[in-house]
Amino acid sequence: DGGITQSPKYLFRKEGQNVTLSCEQNLNHDAMYWYRQDPGQGLRLIYYSQIVNDFQKGDIAEGYSVSREKKESFPLTVTSAQKNPTAFYLCASGMRGTGYTFGSGTRLTVV
Amino acid sequence: GEDVEQSLFLSVREGDSSVINCTYTDSSSTYLYWYKQEPGAGLQLLTYIFSNMDMKQDQRLTVLLNKKDKHLSLRIADTQTGDSAIYFCAERRGTALIFGKGTTLSVSS
Repeated sequence: DGGITQSPKYLFRKEGQNVTLSCEQNLNHDAMYWYRQDPGQGLRLIYYSQIVNDFQKGDIAEGYSVSREKKESFPLTVTSAQKNPTAFYLCASGMRGTGYTFGSGTRLTVV
Repeated sequence: GEDVEQSLFLSVREGDSSVINCTYTDSSSTYLYWYKQEPGAGLQLLTYIFSNMDMKQDQRLTVLLNKKDKHLSLRIADTQTGDSAIYFCAERRGTALIFGKGTTLSVSS
């Protein structure tokens, strides 16, 4: 079955550490997106990529980095520069006009 | 950018209809979407409407679009306890989807 897979489901980060969240899709979608979800804040766009080797900042890109070396993969690195990284992170992929398919999310907690 | 606005909470009794409202910002948005999120899960696409339509019905779901007022609504007929979740509306702005903060629907039996 086609879908989008995020891993891990739960991730714990120590202060000052970089961590990488994985997102893989086998839907042959060109575009991929990362959103951050905080309680009462809805979803806020971090980064997105429309094609391989190209990506753009969203509304809250500071403290995050991404790469898009393969069509299927769009990993997100939460760097030590992100001062408040505890949140639920959602990856999505899509084609124009059809809406997005979301992964099941990664919950990141700073310990 | 401007926000997509939704009311935060809605409480209904099982069997009643639920109406979730949304105000979007970009009159040139071509597609508008409704997503459902259950606790600890990702978002599930429920339905979408193209901007040249006024209404779309899909089983228990009815979407109404008022382009003049930039108002979108989702009606769930015969609401069940399994419909309890957070519902997000979203508009396409450029190449990304912009989401509202979500409406938490609580269904009591």
